[in-house]
Amino acid sequence: EPEVTQTPSHQVTQMGQEVILRCVPISNHLYFYWYRQILGQKVEFLVSFYNNEISEKSEIFDDQFSVERPDGSNFTLKIRSTKLEDSAMYFCASRLAQTGELFFGEGSRLTVL
Amino acid sequence: AQSVSQHNHHVILSEAASLELGCNYSYGGTVNLFWYVQYPGQHLQLLLKYFSGDPLVKGIKGFEAEFIKSKFSFNLRKPSVQWSDTAEYFCAVNAMRGSYIPTFGRGTSLIVHP
Repeated sequence: EPEVTQTPSHQVTQMGQEVILRCVPISNHLYFYWYRQILGQKVEFLVSFYNNEISEKSEIFDDQFSVERPDGSNFTLKIRSTKLEDSAMYFCASRLAQTGELFFGEGSRLTVL
Repeated sequence: AQSVSQHNHHVILSEAASLELGCNYSYGGTVNLFWYVQYPGQHLQLLLKYFSGDPLVKGIKGFEAEFIKSKFSFNLRKPSVQWSDTAEYFCAVNAMRGSYIPTFGRGTSLIVHP
């Protein structure tokens, strides 16, 4: 069964460092998403990506964040200068249709010290 | 914008007990509704979904949910839980107009004691 894969599963970084989280969505999916979950809180939408551009982003997704789909398979989330409050589980998801179910990766846990 | 409330944050049950997890959303238009489950150490996976038709939907592993439009609710139920149902459960809403971004609730942590 096709699945969404994410790397790394856990990353520890110092405040102010750049972090890149990688995702490989399901190959025939067209819509890509990043969500995050701070420990004990709800799953929050960060950004959606379609047709090689951001289609929607939340207030959380400020200038420190960026996304790319550099090679048609990987979908990356970059945090330019991490802050303590960026510590969270980051989930990548994809779906075939705009209103269908999301397929999630296992998440990347980011710890900022 | 839509929002989702899951009122039970932590639920502890014994095996064979019945389960009902509440989910309410705020959005006046047509929605698609989902329940996702996250087993320990695993990714979020779909438990069941409602798009249209019969408001009582059945999912995997004996779970079901009922969409009550007048109450803006989509509660998850299972008549008899098992230890293997220990997991985090998330309700999600996808509006069918404007933003199509699924909005998630905070999640409910379910622990089932054998």
